[in-house]
Amino acid sequence: GQQVMQIPQYQHVQEGEDFTTYCNSSTTLSNIQWYKQRPGGHPVFLIQLVKSGEVKKQKRLTFQFGEAKKNSSLHITATQTTDVGTYFCAGKPSKTSYDKVIFGPGTSLSVIP
Amino acid sequence: EAQVTQNPRYLITVTGKKLTVTCSQNMNHEYMSWYRQDPGLGLRQIYYSMNVEVTDKGDVPEGYKVSRKEKRNFPLILESPSPNQTSLYFCASSPTDRYIYEQYFGPGTRLTVT
Repeated sequence: GQQVMQIPQYQHVQEGEDFTTYCNSSTTLSNIQWYKQRPGGHPVFLIQLVKSGEVKKQKRLTFQFGEAKKNSSLHITATQTTDVGTYFCAGKPSKTSYDKVIFGPGTSLSVIP
Repeated sequence: EAQVTQNPRYLITVTGKKLTVTCSQNMNHEYMSWYRQDPGLGLRQIYYSMNVEVTDKGDVPEGYKVSRKEKRNFPLILESPSPNQTSLYFCASSPTDRYIYEQYFGPGTRLTVT
């Protein structure tokens, strides 16, 4: 079946270091979204990417959508303790139901002060 | 305040005892969805609904039912819960009439089936 994978599963960084999580789909995606979930909280929307090769920035966060629309990445520059949480990518497969959403398993980020 | 509410937030029940988790949104969103979250597996979609009386299966629909009689409500029904349905459940809603259709998540319902 359709799958969305994320690596790494866990990442521990020293505050101030950079962090990157990668998202890979087994099928082409019509779009990809990124969410952040703080410990004990619910997922919160960060961004949506639609176009092949698209790059978007939000302050220290940079999001990319691959040329083939099957992979994406989230890069955080100079991590802060407020970045702690689990980052999920979520894709809408192009060739299936328009409404179905497939989430990756997430990357859990710990930031050591 | 725009929000998605779920009730109850915590529930401990026994195998086979029917239960319903309610979900309601006040943003007039067409799309609503249920997910379960388990360690290492992320969020898996159970059912989703594009509008009133329109529902469809996600990736893990077995053992669950939903209904969408009103636009704002999307209850999740477990007719005969089993221990493998112990999980954290999230309801979400999103608009479908805009370019960006971010999902708004409820606070979650932690269900334990013994």
